[in-house]
Amino acid sequence: DIQMTQSPSSLSASVGDRVTITCRASQGIGNYVAWFQQKPGKAPKSLIYAASTLQSGVPSKFSGSGSRTDFTLTISGLQPEDFATYYCQQYNSYPLTFGGGTKVEIK
Amino acid sequence: QVHLVESGGGVVQPGGSLRLSCAASGFTFSSYGMYWVRQAPGKGLEWVAFIRYDGSDKYYRDSVKGRFTISRDTSKNTLFLQMNSLRAEDTAVYYCARELSTAAAGTFDYWGQGTLVTVSS
Repeated sequence: DIQMTQSPSSLSASVGDRVTITCRASQGIGNYVAWFQQKPGKAPKSLIYAASTLQSGVPSKFSGSGSRTDFTLTISGLQPEDFATYYCQQYNSYPLTFGGGTKVEIK
Repeated sequence: QVHLVESGGGVVQPGGSLRLSCAASGFTFSSYGMYWVRQAPGKGLEWVAFIRYDGSDKYYRDSVKGRFTISRDTSKNTLFLQMNSLRAEDTAVYYCARELSTAAAGTFDYWGQGTLVTVSS
């Protein structure tokens, strides 16, 4: 199975900050990475697929990059509604696997 | 507008069975692969099962193989997950999710709101 290691597991940031979350795959997966946002008690929301392509309706303050084993999600100009937990996911092969999550909290 | 609504969760004893449903609307259900993803209380996301748009292929995570069965009824625009021989470790919120596209097979665009399954005596 492909392991997805996310870091950090949590971070504190202020409104207006730029934050970066990283995800490392245990083997090369091309660009088959997606990112999701989840707020407490809610279903995940799809943000990015193919490492850097925004899902329809997702604001451009979210961006993704990377290939092969190392991937990043960047959020520019943090707003109160962006405080949530973020997950990466690889879809290069089954079983599909997720990172452990990064909780973005208000400083 | 795409809409996915899960139902069928509840409390069940270890070894028991449950059947989850996911009612789909707002898109051509027969054209999309569908997934079940679960989340144990306070934990991360875990993929459970996949069914191809036409039902021709089904994949499961190892821990549920032989116990869970994914299926779909195109006439009712509904996805199912039959869960047998349930264990305490199956306790989770179960989400159904739509495949983004055949070109991006393996990831999702829309998710349901989830249904809670609790396995406890």
